[in-house]
Amino acid sequence: GESVGLHLPTLSVQEGDNSIINCAYSNSASDYFIWYKQESGKGPQFIIDIRSNMDKRQGQRVTVLLNKTVKHLSLQIAATQPGDSAVYFCAENRGYSTLTFGKGTMLLVSP
Amino acid sequence: NAGVTQTPKFQVLKTGQSMTLQCAQDMNHNSMYWYRQDPGMGLRLIYYSASEGTTDKGEVPNGYNVSRLNKREFSLRLESAAPSQTSVYFCASSRDRDYEQYFGPGTRLTVT
Repeated sequence: GESVGLHLPTLSVQEGDNSIINCAYSNSASDYFIWYKQESGKGPQFIIDIRSNMDKRQGQRVTVLLNKTVKHLSLQIAATQPGDSAVYFCAENRGYSTLTFGKGTMLLVSP
Repeated sequence: NAGVTQTPKFQVLKTGQSMTLQCAQDMNHNSMYWYRQDPGMGLRLIYYSASEGTTDKGEVPNGYNVSRLNKREFSLRLESAAPSQTSVYFCASSRDRDYEQYFGPGTRLTVT
């Protein structure tokens, strides 16, 4: 079946390290991808998005990479801080439709 | 600019009771959504409204109804609550269906 999934359910890093969170998608028709951050007890917060006509997009301390050949999406966080500790979700949009969310991966940042 | 607001924040219901979850957005967005989030699972779409006056079923619509009251407000109703509906409910809105969604703080619902 079609799905959006994550390779690692939990990622532990040290403060100051760079973090990479991965996501696989299976529908080649997906043309829009989003990363969300969810802190405990809060709603998901938009981080960054990328459309399928791009390979890379950068934000403030975050970079999203899209590899359409292997249907892989990654979120890179530079100089990870304790405040980055949260669950990160990727989501895909298949045409003019609704988002499908992955199950999420937890990022734990140690001081 | 409050973004997406939801009421109530917490609710406890007995099996068979009904209630309505309220959601409002002040971003002039066309599309609005209701999700549920269960432990260890991602967000699952219950219903959405692509534009004012339209509503459509998502992945898990059974046991729920929705009303798009106007462009700002989108409510979710549980007619006869069941323990399986214990969850955290999130409302979201987006400019259009293929743009990023902005989420509210959630409603934590427990059905006993």
